[in-house]
Amino acid sequence: QVHLVESGGGLVKPGESLRLSCVASGFIFNDYYMTWMRQAPGEGLEWVSFISSSGQTVDYADSVKGRFTVSRDNAKSSLFLQMKNLRPDDTAVYYCARGGAHLDTWGQGNLVTVSA
Amino acid sequence: IQLTQFPSSLSASVGDRVTITCRASQDIATYLAWYQQKPGKAPNLLIYAASILQSGVPSRFSGSGSETDFTLTISSLQPEDFATYYCQQLDRFPRTFGPGTKVDIK
Repeated sequence: QVHLVESGGGLVKPGESLRLSCVASGFIFNDYYMTWMRQAPGEGLEWVSFISSSGQTVDYADSVKGRFTVSRDNAKSSLFLQMKNLRPDDTAVYYCARGGAHLDTWGQGNLVTVSA
Repeated sequence: IQLTQFPSSLSASVGDRVTITCRASQDIATYLAWYQQKPGKAPNLLIYAASILQSGVPSRFSGSGSETDFTLTISSLQPEDFATYYCQQLDRFPRTFGPGTKVDIK
């Protein structure tokens, strides 16, 4: 069964850093592009970042460019999102998902709260 | 690419036919997906390539459209369909989402 399990969220202060992880199971991880999305409390979905299957191609939303870095470890079927210089408007549930276009499997979501 | 959805919310009864529209700010061919999200849960893929039903999704869901205008139709609304629906364009980065349409019980 295809599964994505996220971890690493929590409460941080503005300007601090956090690293999210997403571990995949049930499929050949290195065959798939992967994507991060987020959803602020009570708001809609926001696309955050994308990484190709090899990790060589990445892209970011303008709102996080220069502060967030996506990476993957195919040997460990793991996806990461390194978040630096966090701001209160980064507060959201962060989801990892399988795919680079339509997203057919999503993780359970991981809450990141940025507050003084 | 900007996506707009309408209506932003609607009230409907079980058995109703429901149509949600998504409009793109530029031609995206058929590079569009639809998702359903229930409170506290991750979104679930319903439709991709504008009209292809994702495996396991009930056939009462259908999608149509191309270029800039797209629709998601639920032919006969069921109790488990009360949720928020999002469109997403898959043509270019960033892969923007529409603002969502909330479907609740009349």
